[in-house]
Amino acid sequence: QVQLQESGPGLVKPSETLSLTCTVSGGSISGHYWSWVRQSPGKGLEYIGYIYYSGSTSYNPSLKSRVTISIDTSKSRFSLKLNSVTAADTAVYYCARLGQWETFDPWGQGTLVTVSS
Amino acid sequence: DIQMTQSPSSLSASVGDRVTITCRSSQNINTYLNWYQQKPGKAPNLLIYAASTLQSGVPSRFSGSGSGTDFTLTISSLQPEDFATYYCQDSYTTSRTFGQGTKLETK
Repeated sequence: QVQLQESGPGLVKPSETLSLTCTVSGGSISGHYWSWVRQSPGKGLEYIGYIYYSGSTSYNPSLKSRVTISIDTSKSRFSLKLNSVTAADTAVYYCARLGQWETFDPWGQGTLVTVSS
Repeated sequence: DIQMTQSPSSLSASVGDRVTITCRSSQNINTYLNWYQQKPGKAPNLLIYAASTLQSGVPSRFSGSGSGTDFTLTISSLQPEDFATYYCQDSYTTSRTFGQGTKLETK
């Protein structure tokens, strides 16, 4: 079955760019939508955006100005960049497949990113 | 912006109890509503989609209902592994908003 694994730095300085990668295994990255969701104590679960395997993207309007999601189908992975981060961006970041009925399933295990100097 | 409000925020119950969690959306979302279960230190797990359709592999003691703005998740007979936090998720708007969660604890 499809498995997802997030990777990237666990600590990012304020005003810098958060960069994470999600590697997909056990299935094809093609033909699907792939997404990022984050979870913080203050704001709970928050959808960030998705990318279709073809490269088309859609972002949560609340984060759209700071988010870029890209995909590398040859390496079965997709990536998240969030710029101009602040302490409010501290969260566990999950990657997930976005399926029919806009369901997030399956999910990666999540990775904690802390924004601090 | 759409708001998803769950009630209660926390709930104490015992094994064998019937439990109902409510999710209310601030606008009509038809049946575009999903439910997830999350255990500590783990990612959320999809339980129900389209308000009432059970995800493959999810026990039949879980059920969902509702449409429009009011939705419920029911666990017919609580099992020990069901103590977790439950989230609803709007699948109608581009913000795909989650509720704040309902923590189900053992009494």
